[in-house]
Amino acid sequence: GAVVSQHPSWVICKSGTSVKIECRSLDFQATTMFWYRQFPKQSLMLMATSNEGSKATYEQGVEKDKFLINHASLTLSTLTVTSAHPEDSSFYICSAKWTTDYEQYFGPGTRLTVT
Amino acid sequence: GQNIDQPTEMTATEGAIVQINCTYQTSGFNGLFWYQQHAGEAPTFLSYNVLDGLEEKGRFSSFLSRSKGYSYLLLKELQMKDSASYLCAVRDSNYQLIWGAGTKLIIKP
Repeated sequence: GAVVSQHPSWVICKSGTSVKIECRSLDFQATTMFWYRQFPKQSLMLMATSNEGSKATYEQGVEKDKFLINHASLTLSTLTVTSAHPEDSSFYICSAKWTTDYEQYFGPGTRLTVT
Repeated sequence: GQNIDQPTEMTATEGAIVQINCTYQTSGFNGLFWYQQHAGEAPTFLSYNVLDGLEEKGRFSSFLSRSKGYSYLLLKELQMKDSASYLCAVRDSNYQLIWGAGTKLIIKP
């Protein structure tokens, strides 16, 4: 099956710093990648959808200047949390799909803790 | 608005059968997904239904009725490792996945 990796798997950073999370599709070309955030005991919340080579589409209430998404190639998307604050601490999960497939393939997630 | 409902929590006994229901109201319908998510891990794909009826895959089966906006996930011969959250998600007319809040399944010996 299709494999999606994320790096890092967990990160601790200080308030005010920026953190970059990478999402890679290892054995397929991902025309679309999705970024989710999940708080403890809550469901996935879609943050943004990105198509290769174009700007990401952000969900309502998600600050695009704070959560920078880049999908520069068919195998890599990055999420940068800028000027992180403790309330940004969460589990960030990416998923990827190619156009003709119905299924999204999820990465293992990145746990971000902002101190 | 778009809405997906599933029970918050269910408890079942090892070796038994459990049915997790999901009802949905979405703008269009392009398939329903069930995912399993263990605590601290990403969701893993279980099943996909786009036509009415039952899809069986080993110990897990998923049923869909589009006219009723209803699906269920049936887990047989429950094992302790099945303790997890089960997420129902519907793809709407814009091919966006709308997620339910998840059902936490607790398996007791």
